[in-house]
Amino acid sequence: DSGVTQTPKHLITATGQRVTLRCSPRSGDLSVYWYQQSLDQGLQFLIQYYNGEERAKGNILERFSAQQFPDLHSELNLSSLELGDSALYFCASSPGAEAFFGQGTRLTVV
Amino acid sequence: SQQGEEDPQALSIQEGENATMNCSYKTSINNLQWYRQNSGRGLVHLILIRSNEREKHSGRLRVTLDTSKKSSSLLITASRAADTASYFCATAPWAGSYQLTFGKGTKLSVIP
Repeated sequence: DSGVTQTPKHLITATGQRVTLRCSPRSGDLSVYWYQQSLDQGLQFLIQYYNGEERAKGNILERFSAQQFPDLHSELNLSSLELGDSALYFCASSPGAEAFFGQGTRLTVV
Repeated sequence: SQQGEEDPQALSIQEGENATMNCSYKTSINNLQWYRQNSGRGLVHLILIRSNEREKHSGRLRVTLDTSKKSSSLLITASRAADTASYFCATAPWAGSYQLTFGKGTKLSVIP
C-alpha cells in the first residue's frame, strides 16, 4: 500500500459527460501529480499541484482541469469526455526522495 | 511525448534466470528511475539513479546509467515468478521533480 488513495477505482460514463477523480496523497506530502496511462500514448504527466497551487503542466487537455484543496487532496475534472479519454488515471505524491503512486482510476468512456 | 524507450518490449524467461531491460532517452536529465507495474495496477518505485552516478544496486536489482549514450539498463538477477510485471523507466528533468517522462515499458514474464 503506497498510502495514496484514489477513488473511484472504476468509472464508466458516456461521451460528453463530466467526471471527477479524487486523490488523497500520503500524509504530509504537499505535491500531487496526475498521470494518464493509455494504450496509445503510454504514461503521460498531466499536471502537478504543490500545497494548493498549480506548479507544472504537462500534456493536459483544455477539457481537463485539476485543483488541490486545503486538506491537500486533489481532484481531476474531465469534461466533454471522448472515447479516447478512456485510460487509467494515476495520481502520485512525493515528499521529495521518491514518488508514491495510487492504484489508479480506470475510466471507460462509452 | 515519450522520452524513454525500453527494449525489449516483451521478455519471457525461466525462473532463476537474469532479466535485462534497456532504456534510452533523448534529453538531459537529473535522474532516471525505474518503476514496476503489475497488471494495470499502481506503479511501484524501484530505484533512482542520478545523472552523476554510473551504477546502483538494490537487492536483486542493478541499474546502470550511461549519460553519454543516454541509456540505462535494469538487471534483475535470479528472477522469480513474482517479478512478472511491466517495467518502466522514467526520467526527471531536475532534482525533486516528479514531472516524469515515461518510456513504453518492458513486459516481463517469468515462467516458474
